[in-house]
Amino acid sequence: SQTIHQWPATLVQPVGSPLSLECTVEGTSNPNLYWYRQAAGRGLQLLFYSVGIGQISSEVPQNLSASRPQDRQFILSSKKLLLSDSGFYLCAWSVDRDGTEAFFGQGTRLTVV
Amino acid sequence: AQTVTQSQPEMSVQEAETVTLSCTYDTSESDYYLFWYKQPPSRQMILVIRQEAYKQQNATENRFSVNFQKAAKSFSLKISDSQLGDAAMYFCAYAEYYTGNQFYFGTGTSLTVIP
Repeated sequence: SQTIHQWPATLVQPVGSPLSLECTVEGTSNPNLYWYRQAAGRGLQLLFYSVGIGQISSEVPQNLSASRPQDRQFILSSKKLLLSDSGFYLCAWSVDRDGTEAFFGQGTRLTVV
Repeated sequence: AQTVTQSQPEMSVQEAETVTLSCTYDTSESDYYLFWYKQPPSRQMILVIRQEAYKQQNATENRFSVNFQKAAKSFSLKISDSQLGDAAMYFCAYAEYYTGNQFYFGTGTSLTVIP
């Protein structure tokens, strides 16, 4: 069966520090991968998605970047965190097939102080 | 990006009663998929129900059913015989395969179930 791992679960970082959140998927190959941010009252905002290794599409220009160094690994990064980067970050994957659902990780609660 | 709108930030329902959560979306496409996800306090996103736009028949999953109105671009979720475990944030989502299966979510509806 397929599983998705996302870590860390919680993170407190000072303003200006770097960020690296990691997500890995097991039990499938060539998944579509996604990073979402969930802020209070704003639902899930799609940040990045990837249909293959090295292929990253950004939905919202911002202080964050994403990379996909391996087929089932998706990393969310920042060189310098801002206070506005605080939120709940969710990684998700889907099969590259019409009509499939998205499967989500447990999320990372990021607090920038 | 596509737009998904949930106009009810909060809803409440008495246990065993029925509640309907609203969702509208904006698209110029004819082939797409719609989903309702549930996010309980654990924050784990759980798929509740899925609807294919090419199907006229409304999807049902046990106590959960949808009212899909393609022309009106409306996709509401009906929860029958509400249970305490249904209390959660509910998100409506839209996806198109040909754009990399990007999933676009609404802002969510917080459902409270009153015992």
